Amino acid sequence: EIVLTQSPATLSLSPGERATLSCRASQSVSSYLVWYQQKPGQAPRLLIYDASNRATGIPARFSGSGSGTDFTLTISSLEPEDFVVYYCQQRSNWPPTFGQGTRLEIK
Amino acid sequence: EVQLLESGGGLVQPGGSLRLSCAASGFTFSSYAMSWVRQAPGKGLEWVSSISGSGGTTYYADSVKGRFTISRDNSKNTLYLQMNSLRAEDTAVYYCAKDPNTGTTGRNPSFDSWGQGTLVTVSS
Repeated sequence: EIVLTQSPATLSLSPGERATLSCRASQSVSSYLVWYQQKPGQAPRLLIYDASNRATGIPARFSGSGSGTDFTLTISSLEPEDFVVYYCQQRSNWPPTFGQGTRLEIK
Repeated sequence: EVQLLESGGGLVQPGGSLRLSCAASGFTFSSYAMSWVRQAPGKGLEWVSSISGSGGTTYYADSVKGRFTISRDNSKNTLYLQMNSLRAEDTAVYYCAKDPNTGTTGRNPSFDSWGQGTLVTVSS
């Protein structure tokens, strides 16, 4: 099973700042890496698929990069509604696995 | 608009059974693999099970294999999860989720649409 490690666990920033979230895989997942956003009390929402493709309706301030074992989700300028939890997920190898999440909090 | 609506959650004793349902609308249900993903209180996401669009292929996490059964009725646009021999560690919100790609088996899913979730609590 591929283990995804997200860092940091919690990231403290201010609105308007740039956020960089990391997801590292225990072995290569090629570009089959997905990012989700989860707001409190809500289901996750697909943000980025196949490492770098924004899902429908996702603002341009969200971008993804990476391949192999190291991936990054970047939020170029944080809006107040972005301070929630983000998960990565790999769909390269069975079983599909998720990272433990990064919580983005207001500094 | 894609809509997924789960039902069937509740409180059950250890060793008991429960069947979850997920009513789908807004897309051609039979063309897409579907999955169940769960989230224990205050914890992260865990993939549970997936099923191909035809229903002919299924996959299970080791933690539920032999106890849970995923199925679908494409005539009713409904996904199911039969959960038997429930344990305290199965306590979670269970989400049904749709694969974004048509014709996949469900072996390597991602999830572009999610239901609102249904809470399953296993406790005596």
